Amino acid sequence: DAGITQSPRHKVTETGTPVTLRCHQTENHRYMYWYRQDPGHGLRLIHYSYGVKDTDKGEVSDGYSVSRSKTEDFLLTLESATSSQTSVYFCAIRGPGNTIYFGEGSWLTVV
Amino acid sequence: QQQVKQSPQSLIVQKGGISIINCAYENTAFDYFPWYQQFPGKGPALLIAIRPDVSEKKEGRFTISFNKSAKQFSLHIMDSQPGDSATYFCAASMMNNAGNMLTFGGGTRLMVKP
Repeated sequence: DAGITQSPRHKVTETGTPVTLRCHQTENHRYMYWYRQDPGHGLRLIHYSYGVKDTDKGEVSDGYSVSRSKTEDFLLTLESATSSQTSVYFCAIRGPGNTIYFGEGSWLTVV
Repeated sequence: QQQVKQSPQSLIVQKGGISIINCAYENTAFDYFPWYQQFPGKGPALLIAIRPDVSEKKEGRFTISFNKSAKQFSLHIMDSQPGDSATYFCAASMMNNAGNMLTFGGGTRLMVKP
């Protein structure tokens, strides 16, 4: 347990609605990440953060935005959800030894 | 373009057998190669990792073999147990790059039959 909490854990939403996923960490790690997991694709990086208000895009950032106003919270927002964004979303942090630790995941279904 | 290719997609092994999962990478700048294990409904957890300055690393029943010239690395699970049934992901990154962002393979679903 790397002190990562994701919320909500499960969500069903309608196409076109905004959705925000929250990642909370308790150990003041500088680097935080959002990945999505889809069958056959492994995990793909959406966005990452290297400090408060410092974020950058990953491999699959289109349709997503992020914010980090506090060290402990990293938010992922889908401005207008689409069915292609149905996925499992994992937050991660970079911990000791540069090891990446993952949260438990957030299952998002867009109908 | 998939920078890390993993095979097979699924694997069935008898209890006590050896499970072998292979990965190939393209970016020669990668210098950190971890394997993650994921159980249903859970996040991936680091299993074992290797740097390219060694050709093999062993931790208990799990061994990574690394071939730098071929740009390939593999995970061997000796004496496979039903409790090893999970999805395994290989990954690669550049440790000194800002963020140490991992690039993952597509995953292998392992089933160990009793």
